[in-house]
Amino acid sequence: IQLTQSPSSLSASVGDRVTITCRASQGISSYLAWYQQKPGKAPKLLIYAASTLQSGVPSRFSGSGSGTDFTLTISSLQPEDFATYYCQQLTSDSGVTFGPGTKVDIK
Amino acid sequence: QLQLQESGPGLVKPSETLSLTCTVSGGSITSGRYYWGWIRQPPGKGLEWIGSIYYSGSTYYNPSLKSRVTISLDMSKSHFSLKLNSVTAADTAIYYCARVHSPSDSCFEYWGQGALVTVSS
Repeated sequence: IQLTQSPSSLSASVGDRVTITCRASQGISSYLAWYQQKPGKAPKLLIYAASTLQSGVPSRFSGSGSGTDFTLTISSLQPEDFATYYCQQLTSDSGVTFGPGTKVDIK
Repeated sequence: QLQLQESGPGLVKPSETLSLTCTVSGGSITSGRYYWGWIRQPPGKGLEWIGSIYYSGSTYYNPSLKSRVTISLDMSKSHFSLKLNSVTAADTAIYYCARVHSPSDSCFEYWGQGALVTVSS
């Protein structure tokens, strides 16, 4: 199963609403997670099961979707949110794959 | 708090075997029915899942790497290991070990800090 993300990069300002899309090459139900990665750091789990917020993650992050189309939304971008975001599909049949990433930087 | 730490040589010669160990502290590898995994990231590029091992020892590999990868579990020593043979420069990457969020899913909640492995003569 292949994952595509759009856009590949975006520039935004603090306070902006940001939406990132992840599309799977075939249906994966809700077996999708989102990660945030900052330079030199390991990825951090933000959302699992497509829409469940990981403990400790700010509520400005939200996820939605099922089947083949998913979105990660940051309702009001904060300075610490500038990072690269990856989606990951979790179906056991084909193993684990990650999307190519979306880099969010400062406008 | 569960912690994971990768260790191993930072430089491997082409055609040789890359070997890394992930030491787990703050929890047991064999309790909780979790998957433990290896993920890599070439410098400046995206994430690639290498494979995972279940607490029982069952393994699951990325089809593109399956012929070269072995992941094993050492329950007595609280660590699991990665071996990747016949390496080339394309295997140069930061290698992360990780544990899944819960026994019922495959998203990775706990990560090591990563170990850079360079393949070069």
